[in-house]
Amino acid sequence: DADVTQTPRNRITKTGKRIMLECSQTKGHDRMYWYRQDPGLGLRLIYYSFDVKDINKGEISDGYSVSRQAQAKFSLSLESAIPNQTALYFCASSERGQETQYFGPGTRLLVL
Amino acid sequence: KNEVEQSPQNLTAQEGEFITINCSYSVGISALHWLQQHPGGGIVSLFMLSSGKKKHGRLIATINIQEKHSSLHITASHPRDSAVYICAVFSGNTPLVFGKGTRLSVIA
Repeated sequence: DADVTQTPRNRITKTGKRIMLECSQTKGHDRMYWYRQDPGLGLRLIYYSFDVKDINKGEISDGYSVSRQAQAKFSLSLESAIPNQTALYFCASSERGQETQYFGPGTRLLVL
Repeated sequence: KNEVEQSPQNLTAQEGEFITINCSYSVGISALHWLQQHPGGGIVSLFMLSSGKKKHGRLIATINIQEKHSSLHITASHPRDSAVYICAVFSGNTPLVFGKGTRLSVIA
């Protein structure tokens, strides 16, 4: 089984809809991250969490929110989706001090 | 904020060629990572290094802390090495900062 899982893997939604992307990890890591990837822009950090009670904004947090429900679970919400949020979204986890990140398979989101 | 630059952005090589991808950064770091993203989208970590050199199979990563520069080398390249290679840096207790990646295509 994969160490970091993301659901759904693909999602098509309409402008204005609220959607949630979910991430789970079985590695026992404290730290979890949400990134989006757009062609030519690389990976950009949306939010990160260094433990269950710690949530921090990344460089592109506007229009997104997160919830760290447990050490193993970190969900990303788009409160009111817009077309420029169409992207590939990755969740990752890491262990404190190591910073080798383990990535989920990604979620392809299309906002119409 | 650390600025991470990779070169080249795109690289096409013939099978068997020796390949070098470069990464430079602007601020001192604790560690540097090289990651590989396959055409299907999955991302895996290849190396984490804070000094010197590491080798895994045909992949070699080096770092020069004083010059703020790292290189990833692939010896005897193969079409299965075709992927996007991403450099990322770590400084203290902040998240990784990523380069934009180098897209490598190896032609048989």
